[in-house]
Amino acid sequence: AQTVTQSQPEMSVQEAETVTLSCTYDTSESDYYLFWYKQPPSRQMILVIRQEAYKQQNATENRFSVNFQKAAKSFSLKISDSQLGDAAMYFCARSVRNSGNTPLVFGKGTRLSVIA
Amino acid sequence: GAVVSQHPSRVICKSGTSVKIECRSLDFQATTMFWYRQFPKQSLMLMATSNEGSKATYEQGVEKDKFLINHASLTLSTLTVTSAHPEDSSFYICSARTSGYADTQYFGPGTRLTVL
Repeated sequence: AQTVTQSQPEMSVQEAETVTLSCTYDTSESDYYLFWYKQPPSRQMILVIRQEAYKQQNATENRFSVNFQKAAKSFSLKISDSQLGDAAMYFCARSVRNSGNTPLVFGKGTRLSVIA
Repeated sequence: GAVVSQHPSRVICKSGTSVKIECRSLDFQATTMFWYRQFPKQSLMLMATSNEGSKATYEQGVEKDKFLINHASLTLSTLTVTSAHPEDSSFYICSARTSGYADTQYFGPGTRLTVL
């Protein structure tokens, strides 16, 4: 089975500090996308960052960046200068490139708490 | 980013009645939409993939006669929970896939269904 694994059910970080959420995945495809979604208490799923597997450069979006290790099938999310609003459930997900009917495969999520 | 709306956001119904949930892509055309179910403190569970103008593809274990999906246009998909029972109470989330950059799915805000 092609799975996405998030090994940290819960994490906490002090405000203004940096935290890294881990994600590993399994796939037989050579070209795919990876995503991190955030789900705050409102339960609205919000796209945080995305990475195309054929790109070696790690994606960054303001305070959010990833460490993509394709050979190791690892896709961790780093949040810098953590803010109270970052507290949420974070889901790592994978999809197959150029296959519109293929849904996302999600990890079980990591609940991030931010301590003031 | 692309916006997906979902209506209603919250619904309470009596056991045995049917409930319709609408999912709309507001500023883009979505050839494919997905329906997920999320139990408390759990990840998203894919129920079905909905393609405009064709029958939905259901995941194993999801009753297609109970969860009717209609994707009538490029901006609208509906999920009807027929003869709802208390065990159908859950949080239902739709997503719509953009064509083009990064095969990204954008999510609706979800619908909380409570069956009494």
